[in-house]
Amino acid sequence: DAKTTQPPSMDCAEGRAANLPCNHSTISGNEYVYWYRQIHSQGPQYIIHGLKNNETNEMASLIITEDRKSSTLILPHATLRDTAVYYCIVRVAGSGGGADGLTFGKGTHLIIQP
Amino acid sequence: EPEVTQTPSHQVTQMGQEVILRCVPISNHLYFYWYRQILGQKVEFLVSFYNNEISEKSEIFDDQFSVERPDGSNFTLKIRSTKLEDSAMYFCASSEGQLTLRKHSPLHFGNGTRLTVT
Repeated sequence: DAKTTQPPSMDCAEGRAANLPCNHSTISGNEYVYWYRQIHSQGPQYIIHGLKNNETNEMASLIITEDRKSSTLILPHATLRDTAVYYCIVRVAGSGGGADGLTFGKGTHLIIQP
Repeated sequence: EPEVTQTPSHQVTQMGQEVILRCVPISNHLYFYWYRQILGQKVEFLVSFYNNEISEKSEIFDDQFSVERPDGSNFTLKIRSTKLEDSAMYFCASSEGQLTLRKHSPLHFGNGTRLTVT
């Protein structure tokens, strides 16, 4: 089972910042927080990841609380194309050898309203 | 930007038939994965593959499933005798390396093959 909790759905007005919360209260020290999204009928798309510091890239910002038990993905200026299911995933950093995959939960269905 | 490509985009097959789903991962990637998504449900992990062998597999990945990297570019998923419940989107993914505390390695997904078993 996924180790994260997300609201099932959220709405956001076009042009506004979309803030998507995620709880991961059992996260351990060697687990990253990853965010992916899935636009309808497409494969999941990597957005951003972080360990303990806040991160920003061209797509989004990731704010991780100091205790690492929760995080927020921020899309600063949401567009209609950002309508998708957003997945918050914790992923263990490996110690060498093998391929460790991702465990997807149900995610948050973000709907951007015009 | 390099991407993972999957063929065909849609495959229809009759129950009991064998199907092979094909994927071309990103060229310098070393780790390969198959996932599936039944309509309206979660994306589910099937199998991961590294160094020409299965690294990890889920309970879904039973004896009816197999994976192969027949040459330096393709990565295939074979279902030997399809069942109605195998109808789903199948996603291939690849990553450059293993995630460690010093290096992240996100998975890059293809856009999937929709398998319909009739």
